[in-house]
Amino acid sequence: AQSVTQPDIHITVSEGASLELRCNYSYGATPYLFWYVQSPGQGLQLLLKYFSGDTLVQGIKGFEAEFKRSQSSFNQRKPSVHWSDAAEYFCAVGMDSSYKLIFGSGTRLLVRP
Amino acid sequence: DAGVTQSPTHLIKTRGQHVTLRCSPISGHKSVSWYQQVLGQGPQFIFQYYEKEERGRGNFPDRFSARQFPNYSSELNVNALLLGDSALYLCASVRDIGDEQFFGPGTRLTVL
Repeated sequence: AQSVTQPDIHITVSEGASLELRCNYSYGATPYLFWYVQSPGQGLQLLLKYFSGDTLVQGIKGFEAEFKRSQSSFNQRKPSVHWSDAAEYFCAVGMDSSYKLIFGSGTRLLVRP
Repeated sequence: DAGVTQSPTHLIKTRGQHVTLRCSPISGHKSVSWYQQVLGQGPQFIFQYYEKEERGRGNFPDRFSARQFPNYSSELNVNALLLGDSALYLCASVRDIGDEQFFGPGTRLTVL
């Protein structure tokens, strides 16, 4: 079955601290992998995506993610968190970027001043 | 350029009623997808329309239907509303197959 697991429901970090958001997936074929961010009252914004090539991908807002095929993981990191990063983050997989995406249940990030 | 727009922003209905949600894609985009996001969960795929034809459907009952118009806007219809239909309904538009999905702000549906 195709699924995405985000094991952390909530994460709280201090402003300026580093961040890692975890994502594991189950998918039959080699999937497209995505990270989206959702702020209150707003839709989902794509942070980064991966399909092939360099397994370390850079996204917007200083985020990066690493694909590890052996672990079926696509964890996202940011070296220094800003208060404006507080939001909900979703990992997703799909057969391509334009079609049905399967989302994880999300990780809510809280940032301490 | 305007992003994906959805209307209404919020909606309150009672069980058994019918609801229509609307989505206008980004200009030049040919495809629209609908997702349901229940509180505390990630979005779930409902439908995708490409060039006015249904390209795919998720695991939702026949109470859910959609269509895409010649101007590429779309409607999502839900009949016989249940309490469990309360959710944020997201629309995403895509320029063409293989391109990125751009999401609208959603319509918050509450069923009482």
